[in-house]
Amino acid sequence: QSALTQPPSASGSAGQSVTISCTGTSSDIGDYNYVSWYQQYPGKAPKLMIFEVNKRPSGVPDRFSGSKSGNTASLTVSGLQAEDEADYYCSSYAGSNTLIFGGGTKLTVL
Amino acid sequence: QLQLQESGPGLVKPSETLSLICTVSGGSISTDYYYWAWIRQPPGKGLEWIGTIFYSGNTYYKSSLKSRVTISADTSKNQFSLKLTSVTAADTAVYYCARYGRALGKYAMDVWGQGTTVTVPS
Repeated sequence: QSALTQPPSASGSAGQSVTISCTGTSSDIGDYNYVSWYQQYPGKAPKLMIFEVNKRPSGVPDRFSGSKSGNTASLTVSGLQAEDEADYYCSSYAGSNTLIFGGGTKLTVL
Repeated sequence: QLQLQESGPGLVKPSETLSLICTVSGGSISTDYYYWAWIRQPPGKGLEWIGTIFYSGNTYYKSSLKSRVTISADTSKNQFSLKLTSVTAADTAVYYCARYGRALGKYAMDVWGQGTTVTVPS
């Protein structure tokens, strides 16, 4: 059960788009459509942004979107805003009622 | 509105047992098909799922922690708890409780507690 692999950092200018990847294996991301993405500000609890690969909870801007191809999931943030600067974590179901998180990506808005 | 609140000692001595409680308000932990989880985050590091208790009482743990972790529920108090034995400095982290289940995708944590910091001195 190794952590999902995310790039440590990502950045983009305000108004641009950025995509964060999350790579797992055929036993987690590749086998289930239960990928979630969380946003976390310093000192705060994570907030659910995307569930089941590409679904957005009520209240999450449609600038946030998710996708999956094979063993890799992606979170795309379009029209970057200053408030999007945060840490982002992916998570996947890994079978047998277990979950696994990614190592996190720090998103910087230039 | 469902709220979760972690509580417990902020300092635990090495080799002792870490014990935390998550108190749930605004909803019942016995509600069908919800999972109640513990997640931790070491300083400056990522999130780590520790384990989960299902509404039915079934428990599931991260394999590498399984020998040291017990998660249980007290439905009369609407609380669930975490016990982690034989702690070391590596167990120093912010510990979160969270809910997932039928509300927003089966395995997406839609409600989180604010987190509680536990330090194990080296």
